[in-house]
Amino acid sequence: SQTIHQWPATLVQPVGSPLSLECTVEGTSNPNLYWYRQAAGRGLQLLFYSVGIGQISSEVPQNLSASRPQDRQFILSSKKLLLSDSGFYLCAWSGAGVTPLHFGNGTRLTVT
Amino acid sequence: QKEVEQNSGPLSVPEGAIASLNCTYSDRVSQSFFWYRQYSGKSPELIMSIYSNGDKEDGRFTAQLNKASQYVSLLIRDSQPSDSATYLCAVARDAGKSTFGDGTTLTVKP
Repeated sequence: SQTIHQWPATLVQPVGSPLSLECTVEGTSNPNLYWYRQAAGRGLQLLFYSVGIGQISSEVPQNLSASRPQDRQFILSSKKLLLSDSGFYLCAWSGAGVTPLHFGNGTRLTVT
Repeated sequence: QKEVEQNSGPLSVPEGAIASLNCTYSDRVSQSFFWYRQYSGKSPELIMSIYSNGDKEDGRFTAQLNKASQYVSLLIRDSQPSDSATYLCAVARDAGKSTFGDGTTLTVKP
């Protein structure tokens, strides 16, 4: 069966510090991978998605970036965090076509 | 206008009642529709997917889709306190990219 791992679970970082969140998927090949962010009491906002190694599409212009160095690894990064980057970050994968998302446990990021 | 709109909630129902959650969407070419359940502090989990007009039933859950009206709903029969959560409606057009509503928080009172 497929599993998705996301870490860390919680993170407190000062403004201006770098960020690296990692996500890996097991049990499937060539998944579509996604990074979503959820503000408190709100729905999910798509940040990045990837359909293959090195193929990244950005949905929202911001100071975040994403990379996919391996088929089942997806990384979210920032060089300098802003207060507005605080939120619940969710990595997800899906199969080919228009199929449901399967989420990791999420990372709760607080920028102070 | 938001791309996906849900009842603002919160919604409160007594145990054993039917909970009705509604969602409208603006993109007419949307192909797939999903309901996710999210417990407080946790990540969303898929509970229903629906791709064609009509009803789809899975246990106590029934999803209803009307593409002409751009409307999708979720009915929860015999609601249980464990159903208390936020329910997210998601609509996908292509490549699995889903657009989410802000969610409706459901409380089932014993």
